[in-house]
Amino acid sequence: QKEVEQDPGPLSVPEGAIVSLNCTYSNSAFQYFMWYRQYSRKGPELLMYTYSSGNKEDGRFTAQVDKSSKYISLFIRDSQPSDSATYLCAMSQNFNKFYFGSGTKLNVKP
Amino acid sequence: DTGVSQDPRHKITKRGQNVTFRCDPISEHNRLYWYRQTLGQGPEFLTYFQNEAQLEKSRLLSDRFSAERPKGSFSTLEIQRTEQGDSAMYLCASSSRDRGSSSYEQYFGPGTRLTVT
Repeated sequence: QKEVEQDPGPLSVPEGAIVSLNCTYSNSAFQYFMWYRQYSRKGPELLMYTYSSGNKEDGRFTAQVDKSSKYISLFIRDSQPSDSATYLCAMSQNFNKFYFGSGTKLNVKP
Repeated sequence: DTGVSQDPRHKITKRGQNVTFRCDPISEHNRLYWYRQTLGQGPEFLTYFQNEAQLEKSRLLSDRFSAERPKGSFSTLEIQRTEQGDSAMYLCASSSRDRGSSSYEQYFGPGTRLTVT
């Protein structure tokens, strides 16, 4: 079993839709949770970082962590074509080693 | 600050050859990470340095792989006797403790794409 599971998609939505991206994990020791966006043939770009359980909002993006269910989510409101990319979740126990999901490919249609 | 840079961006090599990649982190970042990413997968952790000390290595990092970070600045990743299965994107990231928090947010370079023929 992989440490982090993520639905690869692809996920196709119309412009303006609310997008929900999710990951599950198996290691209850993870405390730090991150979402990255990766465009084709580029390095990942950090979008959101959350410590432990709870919600965090940044503009159109909201990250949620439910440690009891080992489940994290990223919501994108008012999605734009420029949001089309692969979204990667990542998590770590102590910032020494990071575990990434396989990524969900998102396509926002104009 | 220009961000994390990696060189070369692309490398094509024949099976059995040795290759070396370089990563220049964001200046003053004391942590540096190497990852490998294959098509349709997320980055897989290979190793990480705090300053010049290599503190953790993945089991993925076989004895054909070696990484160094002399003087705690740039880092090199060498693959000896390359195999076709080594074809992947090799990503470098750097981080430093975020002021006012306990986090070490990673910033990634553009990667080096290796093709082994």
